[in-house]
Order: sequence, then C-alpha cells, then structure tokens
Amino acid sequence: GNSVTQMEGPVTLSEEAFLTINCTYTATGYPSLFWYVQYPGEGLQLLLKATKADDKGSNKGFEATYRKETTSFHLEKGSVQVSDSAVYFCALSDLGRFQKLVFGTGTRLLVSP
Amino acid sequence: DTGVSQNPRHKITKRGQNVTFRCDPISEHNRLYWYRQTLGQGPEFLTYFQNEAQLEKSRLLSDRFSAERPKGSFSTLEIQRTEQGDSAMYLCASSPGTMESDTQYFGPGTRLTVL
Repeated sequence: GNSVTQMEGPVTLSEEAFLTINCTYTATGYPSLFWYVQYPGEGLQLLLKATKADDKGSNKGFEATYRKETTSFHLEKGSVQVSDSAVYFCALSDLGRFQKLVFGTGTRLLVSP
Repeated sequence: DTGVSQNPRHKITKRGQNVTFRCDPISEHNRLYWYRQTLGQGPEFLTYFQNEAQLEKSRLLSDRFSAERPKGSFSTLEIQRTEQGDSAMYLCASSPGTMESDTQYFGPGTRLTVL
C-alpha cells in the first residue's frame, strides 16, 4: 500500500541555519504530495504542495520538489527562524476516488535563538 | 471562509461512556474526512463523506464508531463504550473535491481522553 517515510526528529537548529527534512514515499502512480505543519496547540496547516513530477511547491520560504526518480519530496528552507519551531508532516494523496491522505510520522523542528 | 471548526476542543470521559464530536466544514466543500492522531504519530484516515454519503471507512473504525453527515453539511463522529485506547486527537478535514484542488483543510481537532 501507499506509505510515507520521514526522517526522525527532533531536528535542532540555530536561527538562520539551513533546514532539510527528508521525505520519501511509496505509491502506485503519481500522487499529489504535501507538507503540513502543526504549531504547538494548533491544528494542521497546509504548508505547500506539488501535484506532478518536477513541480516545486513553495511557501513562507519553504520549498520542496517532487522527485519521481527518487520518490522524494524533501522540505528545505534557507534560513530558519524561531517561529518555525513546529512538527512537520509529509503526506501523499491516495490516487483512489477518495483521495485520502497518507501521512508520515512527523518531524519535530526546534529552532533556538 | 471561516475555516473548518470542531467541537468540543477537549473531551474527558470515563471508560464505557459514549461521546460525540462535531465538525463544520468550509462551506461548499463537498468532501469531508475524519482522521485520528495519536501522540507522536501522523494522522490516520478513519472515514470519508462525499456530500451526505459515507463512501469509505478504514479498518480502524470499529463497530463502536459511527459517523454521519446529514444533509451534506456538518458531520458527527460518535464513539460508543469508549476504551482507553480511543484516547487521541480526532481531526476533521474538508476539501472542494474539484479537479483543480484536492487540498484538504483541517480543523483544530478534538482531543479525547478516556480515563
């Protein structure tokens, strides 16, 4: 079945450091790929998405590129801020009729001043 | 667009009691999903509605769980005879369900604690 694997956390960085959170997936066909973010005490928020191979999703300085050849969708940011501290979830959209989301286990990011 | 809302935000109950959660999706979103998230894990799919029709249920949804979406608007998720293993965050999401957008928008969740 479809699955998503994320790097384990927590990822601890100093402010202005470069961020990479790895995400790989297993799926039949070419699902849409998503990054969601969950800030402390809040619900899941869509951060960015990509719907086909080689698409790049971007938002708030974060980027991720849909790599079909490596089945990856790694999240990157050039300079993190303390306010980026949160849990980041990679997800794919099941290609069945109902397009339910399959999530990774999440990666906690901690950014210190 | 007021976003997806869920009530209550927190629920503490004793084992064996019944609980009901409510989700109000973004208006005109015809797709509605329920997910469950346990501590340290990603959300897991529970069930899906297209308008008022419940079209898919996960194996995670035992017979003690029932969901409805009357008139294709708000949805309720009921858990009967709660067990401690039901303690989790229950998330609702809605989607326009159009060719242009399969993005799901999540509510803040209902945190259930079963004592």
